Amino acid sequence: QKEVEQNSGPLSVPEGAIASLNCTYSDRGSQSFFWYRQYSGKSPELIMFIYSNGDKEDGRFTAQLNKASQYVSLLIRDSQPSDSATYLCAVVPNTGGFKTIFGAGTRLFVKA
Amino acid sequence: DTGVSQNPRHKITKRGQNVTFRCDPISEHNRLYWYRQTLGQGPEFLTYFQNEAQLEKSRLLSDRFSAERPKGSFSTLEIQRTEQGDSAMYLCASSSTGYANTGELFFGEGSRLTVL
Repeated sequence: QKEVEQNSGPLSVPEGAIASLNCTYSDRGSQSFFWYRQYSGKSPELIMFIYSNGDKEDGRFTAQLNKASQYVSLLIRDSQPSDSATYLCAVVPNTGGFKTIFGAGTRLFVKA
Repeated sequence: DTGVSQNPRHKITKRGQNVTFRCDPISEHNRLYWYRQTLGQGPEFLTYFQNEAQLEKSRLLSDRFSAERPKGSFSTLEIQRTEQGDSAMYLCASSSTGYANTGELFFGEGSRLTVL
């Protein structure tokens, strides 16, 4: 079982729609959860982090965490063509250290 | 502050040669990470440092890979006796350990290795 699993996609949504990206993780004791965006040929950059169960909103982005189900999601409202990228879910597992483990990423295409 | 700097940006080498990559983190960041990324995959954790101490190394990492951060500032990643399977983008990231630390990783632009 991979430590962090994501559907590789691609996920295609029309402009203005809501894009929903999902991620599951294996270490039940994980405490920190992140979503990074990676444009083609570029390095990852942080979009959001979440530590507690529930929802966290930042502009058009909402991160959702359910520790009981070991599930993290990212919603992108009013999707724009500029949101087309790979979205990486990342988790800091409860190993006593600070390494961050990434999923394989989900490719998102927003059609104009 | 110019962010995380990596060099060389591109390296082409023949199988069996040794290569070394350098990473200069954001100056006030104590933690430094190395990742490897291949096409269509997420960054794969290799190792990380806090100051000069190497705190964790991936169990999947071959003994041909070694990393150092001798003075707690820049870091080097050396790959000995390169193999074609080592071809990848090698990403360096740094993070702070201060009170306001969110765990965010700041990535450099990467060093792309091609082994012929």
